[in-house]
Amino acid sequence: DTGVSQDPRHKITKRGQNVTFRCDPISEHNRLYWYRQTLGQGPEFLTYFQNEAQLEKSRLLSDRFSAERPKGSFSTLEIQRTEQGDSAMYLCASSLQGRTEAFFGQGTRLTVV
Amino acid sequence: AQTVTQSQPEMSVQEAETVTLSCTYDTSENNYYLFWYKQPPSRQMILVIRQEAYKQQNATENRFSVNFQKAAKSFSLKISDSQLGDTAMYFCAFTLNIVGGGADGLTFGKGTHLIIQP
Repeated sequence: DTGVSQDPRHKITKRGQNVTFRCDPISEHNRLYWYRQTLGQGPEFLTYFQNEAQLEKSRLLSDRFSAERPKGSFSTLEIQRTEQGDSAMYLCASSLQGRTEAFFGQGTRLTVV
Repeated sequence: AQTVTQSQPEMSVQEAETVTLSCTYDTSENNYYLFWYKQPPSRQMILVIRQEAYKQQNATENRFSVNFQKAAKSFSLKISDSQLGDTAMYFCAFTLNIVGGGADGLTFGKGTHLIIQP
């Protein structure tokens, strides 16, 4: 499989719990992006990495959101103390530096109950 | 900050017809990229077509073409000979060209739900 892979595909959690999502980019891609998509809206950019460096994180929604890419390969997005408003699809995308085309994964759908 | 506006929440056309989806954007920058992405139901977003702002020629990919009007900040997508498989959400997106090449995160519009009727 050479596409962007996200795990899990679906996650149901209780309010107040922490959740972590994983994204495996296309293997040679050094840029990795996280987006959030709520119902009826377009994706909203959250953060991105170039290799292991997080180059933009000012648009993470709150300090409950954090992302890592420790070895410049896969990335994780963590949401602490989840709230019902965090229910959304979380999308990951990857690209090559110098290229504008981003390839998206199928997303992780989070439901906070 | 950049914004992208798609004013058509939903459109429906008959198979084989031509349809145009509208998109406007707002930016004070001069060097940027515009995209149309397609998101079929329960499937991942895929790139349909891309336009560099410095290119005057409109991009074309098979049945898909754009009408890029830089002064008007307009970027519409035309789908010719529409097919049932074109049914999807279509998102217009914008990104700046950043130092080092490539792009920053994408700014998306709210999308247009396109339905192709048999």
